[in-house]
Amino acid sequence: QSALTQPPSASGSPGQSVTISCTGTSSDVGGYNYVSWYQQHPGKAPKLIIFEVSKRPSGVPDRFSGSKSGNTASLTVSGLQAEDEADYYCSSYAGSNTLVFGGGTKLTVL
Amino acid sequence: QVQLVQSGAEVKKPGASVRISCKASGYTFISYYIQWVRQAPGRGLEWMGIINPGGGFTTFAQKFQDRVAMTRDTSTTTIYMELNSLRSDDTAMYYCAKVNGWSADSWGQGTLISVSS
Repeated sequence: QSALTQPPSASGSPGQSVTISCTGTSSDVGGYNYVSWYQQHPGKAPKLIIFEVSKRPSGVPDRFSGSKSGNTASLTVSGLQAEDEADYYCSSYAGSNTLVFGGGTKLTVL
Repeated sequence: QVQLVQSGAEVKKPGASVRISCKASGYTFISYYIQWVRQAPGRGLEWMGIINPGGGFTTFAQKFQDRVAMTRDTSTTTIYMELNSLRSDDTAMYYCAKVNGWSADSWGQGTLISVSS
């Protein structure tokens, strides 16, 4: 049950697009279409922004999108806004009723 | 609306045990798993385990298997997580979260557990 690999940081200017990667194995990311992404602002609980690789919960702006290729999932934030500055975590189902998180990526809006 | 309300912060000594509660409301309690996730200060999210409130079945991350327990009380729609043999590196914010299709769509407010001698 090793953590998924995310870059520790990412950044972009307002209006730009940023993509955050999440690399696992064929036992987690590559084996199931159950990749989720969470946004966490300082001092707050995480918030689900993408589920099942590319689906958005109600109320999440369509500026957030997800995809997957092989063992790597990606979160793209388009049209960056100041309020997008936060930590982002990926998560994947890993079989046998277990889940695994990525190490997190701090997104800075320049 | 879905709500998960967790018990308050606690301070524990090394070697002690802690039990955190998570009261669920606003949905059918037995229909959705509850997971526990912790976050040490300045660190990332760490998955601890999951419970099926319907049958009480649990699955834990290997790291915690020897010292964690998760139980539920269907009469009060409350989930409990107990962590034993506490160490200083167990100091963290602990979250419960409702799992829907292997995503956590609702989260509790978090419970801060501090372990210090």
